[in-house]
Amino acid sequence: GNSVTQMEGPVTLSEEAFLTINCTYTATGYPSLFWYVQYPGEGLQLLLKATKADDKGSNKGFEATYRKETTSFHLEKGSVQVSDSAVYFCALSGRFGGGSQGNLIFGKGTKLSVKP
Amino acid sequence: GAVVSQHPSWVICKSGTSVKIECRSLDFQATTMFWYRQFPKQSLMLMATSNEGSKATYEQGVEKDKFLINHASLTLSTLTVTSAHPEDSSFYICSATPRVISGYTFGSGTRLTVV
Repeated sequence: GNSVTQMEGPVTLSEEAFLTINCTYTATGYPSLFWYVQYPGEGLQLLLKATKADDKGSNKGFEATYRKETTSFHLEKGSVQVSDSAVYFCALSGRFGGGSQGNLIFGKGTKLSVKP
Repeated sequence: GAVVSQHPSWVICKSGTSVKIECRSLDFQATTMFWYRQFPKQSLMLMATSNEGSKATYEQGVEKDKFLINHASLTLSTLTVTSAHPEDSSFYICSATPRVISGYTFGSGTRLTVV
């Protein structure tokens, strides 16, 4: 079935370090791909998205490229800040048919802690 | 942008009582809203798809009679946890979107604690 696999955390980095959080997916058709961020005590916020192969989503210094050939959507940031500490979720969406069209399938989340 | 408001943000209730959680789309109409549940240190799991004017579609393993969903208007869906038990304690989040391609907007979530 359709699924999302993320690297397991927690990930601990020093400020200004380079960040990569791996995400791969399994899906039929052509899903849209998303990264969501959840700050402590808050709900999810959309961080970036890509809707077709080779699209690059970017926001707040984060980037992810939709790679169909490797079914991946890895999240990267060149220089993390303490304020980036949060849980990051990779997700996919698509028209899977039936009553659940459009619902998101999430990875398990990766907790990032950035130390000053 | 699309805004989804969820209320309450946290609630504590006694075992056996019912709790209602509201999810509102503030600046768009949503014929479909989604309800998720998040266990500690785990991902969100889709519970059900709420459809305006019709019955909700529940995911496998989710008890329909325990988690009552009502989507009476294009801007409001409610989730009622009936006869709550401590194992129902969790973080519940709703989401909606005016257009799938835009990405989904989530409510801020409701932390339910059943004592």
